[in-house]
Amino acid sequence: DVKVTQSSRYLVKRTGEKVFLECVQDMDHENMFWYRQDPGLGLRLIYFSYDVKMKEKGDIPEGYSVSREKKERFSLILESASTNQTSMYLCASSSPGQGGFLAFFGQGTRLTVV
Amino acid sequence: EDQVTQSPEALRLQEGESSSLNCSYTVSGLRGLFWYRQDPGKGPEFLFTLYSAGEEKEKERLKATLTKKESFLHITAPKPEDSATYLCAVQANDYKLSFGAGTTVTVRA
Repeated sequence: DVKVTQSSRYLVKRTGEKVFLECVQDMDHENMFWYRQDPGLGLRLIYFSYDVKMKEKGDIPEGYSVSREKKERFSLILESASTNQTSMYLCASSSPGQGGFLAFFGQGTRLTVV
Repeated sequence: EDQVTQSPEALRLQEGESSSLNCSYTVSGLRGLFWYRQDPGKGPEFLFTLYSAGEEKEKERLKATLTKKESFLHITAPKPEDSATYLCAVQANDYKLSFGAGTTVTVRA
């Protein structure tokens, strides 16, 4: 089975802190993604990476950065956490499928910024 | 811009009461439509991928169908364990999935 593992299920951080969210996948997938999920808004793409050291902005990259030094690991960084970044963060990796790709998700990190 | 709209937002069913969830989409060049199930506090779990209008997929009590403008997820004779949020997503390019806000289904025994 594909496994996407996020380092924390729950995090509480203070405003202004630098926050690291880690994600590891074990299926040798090229593509990895970070989403945030908020009630009524669905999942919104923050950043994605299609190769080691490569990154692309998603729909809401402001206030975030990412790092992908190894194929299996994709990190999301909140440079200076703010209360409006309180959310559920979901990591995903994908493999190619018929004409498209299939994304598998981690269990999520519920981040609260106080 | 890709748009995905799911309805209803919430659905309360009695056990055994069949119903359907709707996912309407606007996308240029659909490469795939995905259905996921999400339990509270967990990440989405893949259910189905549909690639072309007329295609249907089934898994236990769930059946997904696709037209050129929308997809339906039919739940036949649901059980309480089918309670979850069901997410629809479309893929229009190589990397990006655009998600709807989801339909939260509650099945009462």
